[in-house]
Amino acid sequence: QKEVEQDPGPLSVPEGAIVSLNCTYSNSAFQYFMWYRQYSRKGPELLMYTYSSGNKEDGRFTAQVDKSSKYISLFIRDSQPSDSATYLCAMMAETSGSRLTFGEGTQLTVNP
Amino acid sequence: EAGVAQSPRYKIIEKRQSVAFWCNPISGHATLYWYQQILGQGPKLLIQFQNNGVVDDSQLPKDRFSAERLKGVDSTLKIQPAKLEDSAVYLCASSLVRGQINEKLFFGSGTQLSVL
Repeated sequence: QKEVEQDPGPLSVPEGAIVSLNCTYSNSAFQYFMWYRQYSRKGPELLMYTYSSGNKEDGRFTAQVDKSSKYISLFIRDSQPSDSATYLCAMMAETSGSRLTFGEGTQLTVNP
Repeated sequence: EAGVAQSPRYKIIEKRQSVAFWCNPISGHATLYWYQQILGQGPKLLIQFQNNGVVDDSQLPKDRFSAERLKGVDSTLKIQPAKLEDSAVYLCASSLVRGQINEKLFFGSGTQLSVL
């Protein structure tokens, strides 16, 4: 069983839609949760970072962590064509020495 | 601020050949990472350096992969001999310091390796 599971999609939505991206995980030691965005032929870039459970909002992006269910989500409001990319969840345990464990990524296309 | 530089951008080799990738991290970043990203998968850490010392190489296939970071700045990752399953994008990342668990990683654009 993979430590981090993420639906690879692809996901296609119209411009302006609310997008929900999700990951589940099995390692209860994970305390730090991140979302990275990766454009085609580019490296990942950090979008959101959350420690433990709770919500975090940044502009059109909201990250949620539910540690009791081992489930994290990223919501994108008013999605734009420029949001078209692969979204990777990543997680880290305090004992891992800053080693990130990534999901396989969800490919998102926002159609104008 | 200049980003993480990697070269070459693309590389095609035949199996059993050797190949090397180069990375120049952001100036002043003490920690450097090499990740392997196979098509359709998330990146997997191969090796992590703090300055010029290795702090995590537990997932590096040491029978064929090697890496070094000279003078705590640039780094090279080598594969010798290459196998078909090594076809992937090799991403280099850097961060300012280690020890802060939430330290932000900055990734380069990667080297896409195809092994035929």
